[in-house]
Amino acid sequence: GAGVSQSPRYKVAKRGQDVALRCDPISGHVSLFWYQQSLWQGPEFLTYFQNEAQLDKSGLPSDRFFAERPEGSVSTLKIQRTQQEDSAVYLCASSLGGTGNEQFFGPGTRLTVL
Amino acid sequence: GQNIDQPTEMTATEGAIVQINCTYQTSGFNGLFWYQQHAGEAPTFLSYNVLDGLEEKGRFSSFLSRSKGYSYLLLKELQMKDSASYLCAGPFYNQGGKLIFGQGTELSVKP
Repeated sequence: GAGVSQSPRYKVAKRGQDVALRCDPISGHVSLFWYQQSLWQGPEFLTYFQNEAQLDKSGLPSDRFFAERPEGSVSTLKIQRTQQEDSAVYLCASSLGGTGNEQFFGPGTRLTVL
Repeated sequence: GQNIDQPTEMTATEGAIVQINCTYQTSGFNGLFWYQQHAGEAPTFLSYNVLDGLEEKGRFSSFLSRSKGYSYLLLKELQMKDSASYLCAGPFYNQGGKLIFGQGTELSVKP
């Protein structure tokens, strides 16, 4: 498959646990985005990478959220000390880069914090 | 701000035409995307308008008026499989291509 993949697809965590969500973008895509989507809402921007550089992290809701893309390909979104309000679907998208290029979305990771 | 607004839900009949509107604040605007999202699935690209006017793509068309901060998605010959959430989203200048999404319009197509 040549699309964006994410793992795990579902994650249940106890409050206070750390979680790590993985995104494999389409090969050759320069830009990578993370979004958070709550039920009945549109995706909300979290952070953006261009290659390995994190150019915008203005959407990360707190310092418990951390993202990296060390080699400019795979990215990991880490949430420390999870809280119930972190429960959402976390979507990853990649694009060729620049404004106006279609973003291809992965299937998302549904995180439930108990 | 860069608010994007669209109706929460709409209902239409199979075979009919439906228009889903989207309004946005024009400051810094740089085009408008429409995505389709079926329940439990990833958003998939439908269209991108950067110039004024109507762009037609099969049963789906998208319109943009930059001066009015207004777009719509037109779906013709509705099919049951068109039941989904339709998201409008804007990239903005100097924002690196990140998308600001509306809340989505949940379309229900009934027989």
